[in-house]
Amino acid sequence: NAGVTQTPKFRILKIGQSMTLQCTQDMNHNYMYWYRQDPGMGLKLIYYSVGAGITDKGEVPNGYNVSRSTTEDFPLRLELAAPSQTSVYFCASSNRQANTEAFFGQGTRLTVV
Amino acid sequence: GIQVEQSPPDLILQEGANSTLRCNFSDSVNNLQWFHQNPWGQLINLFYIPSGTKQNGRLSATTVATERYSLLYISSSQTTDSGVYFCAVAPESTLTFGKGTMLLVSP
Repeated sequence: NAGVTQTPKFRILKIGQSMTLQCTQDMNHNYMYWYRQDPGMGLKLIYYSVGAGITDKGEVPNGYNVSRSTTEDFPLRLELAAPSQTSVYFCASSNRQANTEAFFGQGTRLTVV
Repeated sequence: GIQVEQSPPDLILQEGANSTLRCNFSDSVNNLQWFHQNPWGQLINLFYIPSGTKQNGRLSATTVATERYSLLYISSSQTTDSGVYFCAVAPESTLTFGKGTMLLVSP
């Protein structure tokens, strides 16, 4: 059972480039989340989804977009990368109906130069 | 939104010592989790504990929901316990994280 899988693990982007961070989970969880972690800080919520076709903004959504076409996948899109988006990104999932414990992926370390 | 405060912010221990980490939160919650972020950055689930007491080996946790705090106990600490410990709470469906307690256990 792989849990929550994120790709890539590391990426360097130039200012203005775009990329998609991939997240997939195999636990049939209906809730999925994207967080970012800046140095010395806790995690902040970017976007979340309560099920396929439904997404909502978190605390820090500016500069990001998401989609949720399937239960398993929840990609995060950066359209015009900025240095302020240098961070570690974590994807998570949980099952609201049965068990609200959230499980996290291993993170994607992104540097924008 | 809900506020989450963790204390202490930093803690240095000798191997074998015990410690207590605290998490205070400002509103009622349906979910409370403790995580350990290891030196490689991985977030490891320690406890899902919106109320009550749980134990797992040398670690235990207690949440007093009516008084809006949770405690994480680490006994007989080991160098592998080093890292950052996060408390995260959810009034409804999304977790809000505290800033963490950085723990260093020296041999």
